[in-house]
Amino acid sequence: AQSVSQHNHHVILSEAASLELGCNYSYGGTVNLFWYVQYPGQHLQLLLKYFSGDPLVKGIKGFEAEFIKSKFSFNLRKPSVQWSDTAEYFCAVNAGYGNNRLAFGKGNQVVVIP
Amino acid sequence: GAGVSQSPSNKVTEKGKDVELRCDPISGHTALYWYRQSLGQGLEFLIYFQGNSAPDKSGLPSDRFSAERTGGSVSTLTIQRTQQEDSAVYLCASSLADREAGELFFGEGSRLTVL
Repeated sequence: AQSVSQHNHHVILSEAASLELGCNYSYGGTVNLFWYVQYPGQHLQLLLKYFSGDPLVKGIKGFEAEFIKSKFSFNLRKPSVQWSDTAEYFCAVNAGYGNNRLAFGKGNQVVVIP
Repeated sequence: GAGVSQSPSNKVTEKGKDVELRCDPISGHTALYWYRQSLGQGLEFLIYFQGNSAPDKSGLPSDRFSAERTGGSVSTLTIQRTQQEDSAVYLCASSLADREAGELFFGEGSRLTVL
């Protein structure tokens, strides 16, 4: 079964600081990778995704993630956070064609202090 | 509507009662998913429907949980004889066909509290 690990479940940082959230997965085959974000009081929404091609993926709001196949990782980064980035971030993995559900990590609660 | 619609948004029930949670997916989305979100536990997969295929029920935690999807659209998740550990936010998501399966669009969830 697929599993997804996210570390540092609670992250507190100041505006303009850089953010990196780690994500590791356990599946040896072809994967599709995602980061979802849940802002306070809102529903989950897609931040970015990787299906194939360039392993450095750019998403909305200045976020990017890098797929490193050899490390089974898909870390999320943002060079300079804003207060509005306060949210919970979830990494998710889909094992590709024929496996339609997503396995989610436990999430990172990120609080940005103005 | 434009997005995934879930009802009720909040449900408080007594232990032992049955509850029904409803999901109305985005029009044209053939895949529908139910997840459960508990505090600090991330999202737990429950069940998946794809078109007219048999649903993937492998995530249902017990036989008290069941779900159906009528006419390939609206889905109902039923929890019988609720227990306190069933308290959670139940999320519904929908997506286009398999190739786009990973791009899930989520509803706002139904928060269930079992007293």
